[in-house]
Amino acid sequence: QQQVKQSPQSLIVQKGGISIINCAYENTAFDYFPWYQQFPGKGPALLIAIRPDVSEKKEGRFTISFNKSAKQFSLHIMDSQPGDSATYFCAASKGNAGNMLTFGGGTRLMVKP
Amino acid sequence: KAGVTQTPRYLIKTRGQQVTLSCSPISGHRSVSWYQQTPGQGLQFLFEYFSETQRNKGNFPGRFSGRQFSNSRSEMNVSTLELGDSALYLCASSLTRGVGEQYFGPGTRLTVT
Repeated sequence: QQQVKQSPQSLIVQKGGISIINCAYENTAFDYFPWYQQFPGKGPALLIAIRPDVSEKKEGRFTISFNKSAKQFSLHIMDSQPGDSATYFCAASKGNAGNMLTFGGGTRLMVKP
Repeated sequence: KAGVTQTPRYLIKTRGQQVTLSCSPISGHRSVSWYQQTPGQGLQFLFEYFSETQRNKGNFPGRFSGRQFSNSRSEMNVSTLELGDSALYLCASSLTRGVGEQYFGPGTRLTVT
Protein backbone atom coordinates (compact mmCIF):
# COMPACT_ATOMS: atom_id res chain seq x y z
CA GLN A 1 0.00 0.00 0.00
CA GLN A 2 1.60 3.20 -1.21
CA GLN A 3 0.78 5.84 1.34
CA VAL A 4 2.70 8.66 -0.33
CA LYS A 5 2.30 9.23 -4.06
CA GLN A 6 4.80 11.44 -5.86
CA SER A 7 4.59 13.02 -9.29
CA PRO A 8 5.98 13.44 -11.84
CA GLN A 9 8.44 10.57 -12.07
CA SER A 10 10.77 12.69 -14.16
CA LEU A 11 11.02 16.38 -14.92
CA ILE A 12 13.07 18.46 -17.33
CA VAL A 13 13.39 22.18 -16.63
CA GLN A 14 15.41 24.92 -18.26
CA LYS A 15 18.01 26.74 -16.20
CA GLY A 16 16.37 29.58 -14.34
CA GLY A 17 12.94 27.96 -14.44
CA ILE A 18 10.75 26.71 -11.62
CA SER A 19 10.71 22.99 -10.80
CA ILE A 20 7.55 21.72 -9.12
CA ILE A 21 7.19 18.26 -7.58
CA ASN A 22 3.98 17.11 -5.97
CA CYS A 23 3.12 14.57 -3.30
CA ALA A 24 -0.15 13.29 -1.93
CA TYR A 25 -0.59 11.28 1.23
CA GLU A 26 -3.37 9.13 2.63
CA ASN A 27 -2.68 8.82 6.33
CA THR A 28 -3.99 11.85 8.21
CA ALA A 29 -1.85 10.89 11.19
CA PHE A 30 1.30 11.99 9.34
CA ASP A 31 2.69 15.11 11.02
CA TYR A 32 6.11 15.63 9.48
CA PHE A 33 6.86 16.01 5.76
CA PRO A 34 10.50 16.23 4.63
CA TRP A 35 12.00 16.43 1.18
CA TYR A 36 15.26 14.71 0.36
CA GLN A 37 17.69 15.25 -2.51
CA GLN A 38 19.79 12.37 -3.74
CA PHE A 39 22.69 12.45 -6.15
CA PRO A 40 23.96 9.27 -7.83
CA GLY A 41 26.12 7.22 -5.50
CA LYS A 42 25.11 9.25 -2.45
CA GLY A 43 22.61 8.88 0.33
CA PRO A 44 19.54 11.14 0.47
CA ALA A 45 20.23 14.57 1.94
CA LEU A 46 17.58 16.41 3.94
CA LEU A 47 16.56 19.48 1.97
CA ILE A 48 13.63 21.06 3.74
CA ALA A 49 10.75 19.87 5.92
CA ILE A 50 7.36 21.11 7.08
CA ARG A 51 4.79 20.30 9.74
CA PRO A 52 1.01 20.63 9.17
CA ASP A 53 0.63 23.74 11.33
CA VAL A 54 2.07 25.93 8.54
CA SER A 55 1.05 26.16 4.89
CA GLU A 56 4.38 27.20 3.45
CA LYS A 57 8.05 27.10 4.33
CA LYS A 58 10.85 28.68 2.37
CA GLU A 59 14.59 28.10 2.58
CA GLY A 60 16.61 29.86 -0.08
CA ARG A 61 15.41 28.72 -3.49
CA PHE A 62 13.40 25.83 -2.02
CA THR A 63 9.77 26.20 -0.89
CA ILE A 64 7.35 23.63 0.47
CA SER A 65 3.65 24.33 0.04
CA PHE A 66 1.33 22.29 2.23
CA ASN A 67 -2.42 21.78 1.80
CA LYS A 68 -3.76 19.86 4.78
CA SER A 69 -7.35 19.60 3.56
CA ALA A 70 -6.25 18.17 0.22
CA LYS A 71 -3.58 16.00 1.86
CA GLN A 72 -1.01 17.30 -0.58
CA PHE A 73 2.34 19.01 -0.41
CA SER A 74 4.75 20.18 -3.03
CA LEU A 75 8.34 21.28 -3.50
CA HIS A 76 9.11 24.34 -5.59
CA ILE A 77 12.68 24.99 -6.72
CA MET A 78 13.02 28.55 -7.91
CA ASP A 79 15.72 29.64 -10.39
CA SER A 80 16.59 25.98 -11.03
CA GLN A 81 20.26 25.32 -11.74
CA PRO A 82 22.05 22.41 -13.46
CA GLY A 83 23.51 21.54 -10.05
CA ASP A 84 19.96 20.84 -8.86
CA SER A 85 19.78 17.86 -11.21
CA ALA A 86 19.15 14.97 -8.86
CA THR A 87 16.40 12.66 -7.63
CA TYR A 88 14.00 14.19 -5.14
CA PHE A 89 11.97 12.23 -2.62
CA CYS A 90 9.09 13.40 -0.51
CA ALA A 91 8.39 11.53 2.70
CA ALA A 92 6.08 11.52 5.68
CA SER A 93 6.14 10.28 9.23
CA LYS A 94 3.97 10.35 12.32
CA GLY A 95 5.35 11.26 15.69
CA ASN A 96 3.97 8.27 17.53
CA ALA A 97 5.70 5.97 15.04
CA GLY A 98 9.13 7.26 15.93
CA ASN A 99 11.36 7.98 12.98
CA MET A 100 9.79 5.66 10.40
CA LEU A 101 9.66 7.55 7.12
CA THR A 102 7.30 6.58 4.31
CA PHE A 103 8.76 7.74 1.02
CA GLY A 104 7.24 8.73 -2.29
CA GLY A 105 8.53 7.06 -5.42
CA GLY A 106 10.97 9.82 -6.34
CA THR A 107 11.28 12.40 -9.11
CA ARG A 108 14.31 12.55 -11.35
CA LEU A 109 14.95 16.22 -12.12
CA MET A 110 17.13 17.36 -14.98
CA VAL A 111 17.90 21.05 -15.32
CA LYS A 112 19.14 21.93 -18.80
CA PRO A 113 21.75 24.69 -19.15
CA LYS B 1 30.60 17.26 13.10
CA ALA B 2 31.12 14.08 11.11
CA GLY B 3 28.15 12.66 9.26
CA VAL B 4 26.70 9.19 9.27
CA THR B 5 29.24 6.58 8.25
CA GLN B 6 28.48 3.17 6.82
CA THR B 7 30.80 0.26 6.21
CA PRO B 8 31.49 -1.41 3.95
CA ARG B 9 30.49 0.78 1.01
CA TYR B 10 30.29 -2.09 -1.43
CA LEU B 11 29.74 -5.78 -0.93
CA ILE B 12 29.31 -8.77 -3.21
CA LYS B 13 27.84 -11.94 -1.74
CA THR B 14 26.53 -15.24 -3.02
CA ARG B 15 23.00 -16.54 -2.57
CA GLY B 16 22.59 -18.33 0.75
CA GLN B 17 25.33 -16.41 2.51
CA GLN B 18 24.77 -13.92 5.27
CA VAL B 19 25.98 -10.35 5.57
CA THR B 20 26.46 -7.76 8.30
CA LEU B 21 26.41 -4.04 7.60
CA SER B 22 27.56 -1.37 10.02
CA CYS B 23 26.41 2.17 10.73
CA SER B 24 27.88 4.86 12.96
CA PRO B 25 25.43 7.70 13.60
CA ILE B 26 26.24 11.37 13.97
CA SER B 27 27.83 12.04 17.34
CA GLY B 28 25.13 12.54 19.95
CA HIS B 29 22.40 10.95 17.86
CA ARG B 30 20.69 8.07 19.59
CA SER B 31 18.21 6.84 16.99
CA VAL B 32 19.28 4.79 14.00
CA SER B 33 16.97 3.66 11.22
CA TRP B 34 17.68 1.39 8.28
CA TYR B 35 16.19 1.60 4.79
CA GLN B 36 16.44 -0.48 1.66
CA GLN B 37 16.55 1.29 -1.69
CA THR B 38 15.88 -0.56 -4.95
CA PRO B 39 14.86 0.69 -8.40
CA GLY B 40 11.63 -1.28 -8.24
CA GLN B 41 10.45 -0.70 -4.67
CA GLY B 42 12.09 2.63 -3.94
CA LEU B 43 13.00 3.52 -0.37
CA GLN B 44 11.52 1.17 2.19
CA PHE B 45 11.83 1.28 5.96
CA LEU B 46 13.48 -1.74 7.55
CA PHE B 47 13.71 -0.96 11.26
CA GLU B 48 14.51 1.68 13.86
CA TYR B 49 16.67 1.35 16.94
CA PHE B 50 16.76 3.61 19.96
CA SER B 51 18.46 2.94 23.28
CA GLU B 52 19.58 -0.48 22.03
CA THR B 53 15.96 -1.56 21.44
CA GLN B 54 14.13 -2.10 18.17
CA ARG B 55 11.27 0.38 18.17
CA ASN B 56 9.74 -0.13 14.74
CA LYS B 57 9.97 -2.76 12.06
CA GLY B 58 8.99 -2.57 8.42
CA ASN B 59 7.42 -5.27 6.32
CA PHE B 60 10.49 -7.42 5.74
CA PRO B 61 11.05 -11.12 6.45
CA GLY B 62 12.78 -12.31 9.58
CA ARG B 63 15.99 -12.83 7.62
CA PHE B 64 16.54 -9.13 8.17
CA SER B 65 17.62 -8.25 11.68
CA GLY B 66 19.59 -5.62 13.45
CA ARG B 67 20.93 -4.41 16.72
CA GLN B 68 22.21 -1.28 18.36
CA PHE B 69 25.09 -0.94 20.76
CA SER B 70 25.43 1.25 23.82
CA ASN B 71 27.41 3.83 21.80
CA SER B 72 24.43 4.05 19.36
CA ARG B 73 26.32 2.32 16.56
CA SER B 74 24.11 -0.14 14.74
CA GLU B 75 24.47 -3.24 12.63
CA MET B 76 22.01 -4.97 10.37
CA ASN B 77 22.23 -8.58 9.31
CA VAL B 78 20.69 -10.38 6.40
CA SER B 79 20.79 -14.15 6.51
CA THR B 80 20.27 -16.63 3.69
CA LEU B 81 20.73 -13.98 1.02
CA GLU B 82 18.47 -13.97 -2.02
CA LEU B 83 19.04 -12.30 -5.38
CA GLY B 84 16.26 -9.85 -4.53
CA ASP B 85 18.23 -8.58 -1.55
CA SER B 86 20.55 -6.73 -3.92
CA ALA B 87 20.02 -3.10 -3.00
CA LEU B 88 21.47 0.02 -1.47
CA TYR B 89 21.11 -0.20 2.30
CA LEU B 90 20.89 3.17 3.95
CA CYS B 91 21.29 4.10 7.55
CA ALA B 92 19.78 7.28 8.96
CA SER B 93 20.46 8.86 12.32
CA SER B 94 18.38 11.20 14.40
CA LEU B 95 18.90 12.96 17.69
CA THR B 96 16.03 11.09 19.28
CA ARG B 97 12.66 9.63 18.34
CA GLY B 98 9.82 11.60 16.83
CA VAL B 99 11.68 14.87 16.24
CA GLY B 100 11.69 14.48 12.48
CA GLU B 101 15.12 15.34 11.14
CA GLN B 102 16.96 12.27 9.94
CA TYR B 103 20.34 12.30 8.26
CA PHE B 104 21.37 9.55 5.91
CA GLY B 105 24.71 7.92 5.35
CA PRO B 106 26.11 7.12 1.90
CA GLY B 107 24.78 3.57 2.02
CA THR B 108 26.17 0.11 1.46
CA ARG B 109 25.69 -1.28 -2.04
CA LEU B 110 24.99 -5.01 -1.68
CA THR B 111 25.08 -7.23 -4.72
CA VAL B 112 23.92 -10.83 -4.40
CA THR B 113 25.02 -13.21 -7.16
